[in-house]
Amino acid sequence: GAGVSQTPSNKVTEKGKYVELRCDPISGHTALYWYRQSLGQGPEFLIYFQGTGAADDSGLPNDRFFAVRPEGSVSTLKIQRTERGDSAVYLCASSPDSGNYGYTFGSGTRLSVV
Amino acid sequence: TQLLEQSPQFLSIQEGENLTVYCNSSSVFSSLQWYRQEPGEGPVLLVTVVTGGEVKKLKRLTFQFGDARKDSSLHITAAQPGDTVLYLCAANGGATNKLIFGTGTLLAVQP
Repeated sequence: GAGVSQTPSNKVTEKGKYVELRCDPISGHTALYWYRQSLGQGPEFLIYFQGTGAADDSGLPNDRFFAVRPEGSVSTLKIQRTERGDSAVYLCASSPDSGNYGYTFGSGTRLSVV
Repeated sequence: TQLLEQSPQFLSIQEGENLTVYCNSSSVFSSLQWYRQEPGEGPVLLVTVVTGGEVKKLKRLTFQFGDARKDSSLHITAAQPGDTVLYLCAANGGATNKLIFGTGTLLAVQP
């Protein structure tokens, strides 16, 4: 597609449930990034893929968070045993490679844990 | 940990006024980017600065990279209500070159 697509746009889940957030990057972009953003704050880095492998997962807050990108295109961010503190907007971005330029962001998934 | 501190965190001004947003760090960066983010959308790249002391202009917006490449500023002339968005600076950092964002500046321009 023309841009980065994230689904769903909104997700409400109960505390303790499992959720999956999907990101479709721009076709041909080898680098894919996940960020988490609280209202009025800058996005916080979670994990970055170069191709199929996670090049840097240092931002994942704990082992309840996991992400995959099995074919080097679509990525899924998985959150187990959700907590109210996980409520945020989860943003995905892609770029042609892992260089300094060319990040394109999706509109995000707003996750609400109730 | 490399931090990008933005100031002010929030700014409310009247239409037509000028303003400056600052992005500061103790780290040196090879380049720095500025983004604008509207509610419900992802950040959109405005500009990338790469050379110490570099100045770039985008209509009413002027961006400057510090001589030591540790800080940057965004100056807006004659602010318009359409400038009411979240402004973010960002830079590549760490061994894996991931993009790190600043703390954000929320601008509100009153008509």
